[in-house]
Amino acid sequence: GQQVMQIPQYQHVQEGEDFTTYCNSSTTLSNIQWYKQRPGGHPVFLIQLVKSGEVKKQKRLTFQFGEAKKNSSLHITATQTTDVGTYFCAGLSSNDYKLSFGAGTTVTVRA
Amino acid sequence: DAGVTQSPTHLIKTRGQHVTLRCSPISGHKSVSWYQQVLGQGPQFIFQYYEKEERGRGNFPDRFSARQFPNYSSELNVNALLLGDSALYLCASSLDLNYGYTFGSGTRLTVV
Repeated sequence: GQQVMQIPQYQHVQEGEDFTTYCNSSTTLSNIQWYKQRPGGHPVFLIQLVKSGEVKKQKRLTFQFGEAKKNSSLHITATQTTDVGTYFCAGLSSNDYKLSFGAGTTVTVRA
Repeated sequence: DAGVTQSPTHLIKTRGQHVTLRCSPISGHKSVSWYQQVLGQGPQFIFQYYEKEERGRGNFPDRFSARQFPNYSSELNVNALLLGDSALYLCASSLDLNYGYTFGSGTRLTVV
């Protein structure tokens, strides 16, 4: 079945630095979605990428979908304490519309 | 507009018991999905319903079942509870099959 892998598992960042989290699917995706989960909370939808090679920006967050529609990345610039949480990518299968989540990247920020 | 609502928020059950979790999607959303999230892991897909029909089932035993009602609300049932069923159970709704999900706050199930 479809598997979505995400690295790194943990990211410890100095406030103001940039970082990137990567996501890879074993199969071609219909779309890729990104979610953020704060400690003790539930996943919150951030964005959806649909087209091959698509790039979208939300303020300091840049999301990219690979040309083969099997990988994606999230790049955060000038990290702030409000960026703390776990970022999940989730791939939507083009066969059965099943949304499979990666294991997440947990981000901590040093002030 | 109300978001996705789940009940109860917390639940403690004994091994072997049965549990029913409930979910009300956002008004107008036709798809409801259930996920299990164990601490430190990503949500694991259990079921998806679309227009009241089961569209997908994850790798969970037959002890897990679900249904969607005419008003699009949904129930997740788990029989013969095991200690390993302790987790956060998340319900998510979406406008259609290929849209982003809105998650509820979840039901924290503890099996003792």
